[in-house]
Amino acid sequence: QVQLHESGPGLVKASETLSLTCTVSGGSISDENYYWGWIRQPPGKGLEWIGTAYSVGSTHYNPSLNRRVTVSVDTANNQLSLTLTSVTAGDSGVYYCARHRGAYISGYYNPSYFDHWGQGTLVTVSS
Amino acid sequence: EIVMTQSPATLSASPGETVTLSCRASQSVSRNLAWYQQTPGQAPRLLIYGTSTKGAGVPARFSGSGSGTDFTLTISSLQPEDFAVYFCQHYNAWTPWTFGQGTKVEI
Repeated sequence: QVQLHESGPGLVKASETLSLTCTVSGGSISDENYYWGWIRQPPGKGLEWIGTAYSVGSTHYNPSLNRRVTVSVDTANNQLSLTLTSVTAGDSGVYYCARHRGAYISGYYNPSYFDHWGQGTLVTVSS
Repeated sequence: EIVMTQSPATLSASPGETVTLSCRASQSVSRNLAWYQQTPGQAPRLLIYGTSTKGAGVPARFSGSGSGTDFTLTISSLQPEDFAVYFCQHYNAWTPWTFGQGTKVEI
């Protein structure tokens, strides 16, 4: 059973850079059946997809965050990382990493649904 | 961006009842829709993908239907552990992937 575990600082100052790591166990991050993504949830609110990476190099980002976000896969350590620059209070919330199942959609192999999630890590942006 | 709208925002029900949650997409997503359950303090859990296929270990009382823009999640004979927030998510190609705002099922 694959497990994901997020780690990183719980407090980040406004205008600085948020960096999180997701360690994957029980499965290989290089498995070509899966992509790996980050999703966040502000307190008491809904879910927002941030970005997704594939072990062979492709990445997808939410256009609303595109210029500030980088998601990458470290196959040697079976880890996924997230970097978000110039954070503001609006970036506070619980950050989840998740396995993003690949599927053929409209003839193209793309990420689809999230079938395994980490427990999440709370990030607070302070002024 | 495809906007996913869920209704109602909150649904009050009693154990043993059958409830139906709605999710509407702003444009067709074919059958590329998933549902998740989130209990307080926990990560979301995949319930259904492909509109109607249950995820691993999901009880038979959960069922999904729909296509195009209108989808439903039905929970038959509500159990105490089913009182939670439910989110829908489309994955109709790269557009980006978006979630509904959630429906809270409360006692």
